[in-house]
Amino acid sequence: DIQMTQSPSSLSASAGDRVTITCRASQTINTYLNWYQQRPGKAPKLLIYAASSLQGGVPARFSGSGSGTDFTLTINRLQPEDFATYYCQQSYTTPRTFGQGTKVEIK
Amino acid sequence: EVQLLESGGALVQPGGSLTLSCAASGFRFSSYAMNWVRQAPGKGLEWVFGISRGGGNTYYAGSVKGRFSISRDNSNNTLYLRMNSLRVEDTAVYYCVKENEEYISSGNWFDSWGQGTLVTVAS
Repeated sequence: DIQMTQSPSSLSASAGDRVTITCRASQTINTYLNWYQQRPGKAPKLLIYAASSLQGGVPARFSGSGSGTDFTLTINRLQPEDFATYYCQQSYTTPRTFGQGTKVEIK
Repeated sequence: EVQLLESGGALVQPGGSLTLSCAASGFRFSSYAMNWVRQAPGKGLEWVFGISRGGGNTYYAGSVKGRFSISRDNSNNTLYLRMNSLRVEDTAVYYCVKENEEYISSGNWFDSWGQGTLVTVAS
């Protein structure tokens, strides 16, 4: 199975900050990498697909980059509604695997 | 608007069985692959099972091999997860998840999620 490792596991930030979350795959996955946001008590929501494409309706302050094994999710000008847990997920092969999550908390 | 409504979650004893259902609406259900993803309390996401649009291709996680099965009824827009030989570690919220394409293949993504149904395995 492909292992997905996110860092950091958690971070504290203030509204207006720029936040960067990284995701590393245990083998190359091309750009078959997706990012999801999960607010407390809610279902996950797709943010970014194919490493860098923004899902419809997602604010442009979210962006993704990377290919191969190393990927990044960036949130510019953090908003109160962005405090949540973020997961990366590979779709290179089955079983589909997720990173362990990065919790973005209010400083 | 895509809607996925899971049902069937319950408290069940170890070794027991349960079937989850997911009623889909707002899209052409028969045209898309579907999945089940679970989340244990306070933990991360784990993909469990996937099924192609016609049901002819299924894929699963090793943790459920031989115990769970997936099926779909395209005439009734419903996805199922049959769970046998349940273990304490199967305790989780189970999400019904729509894939963006008709087959489980490289490069796809999960574009819609249900709200989940809780399965608790305990004696």
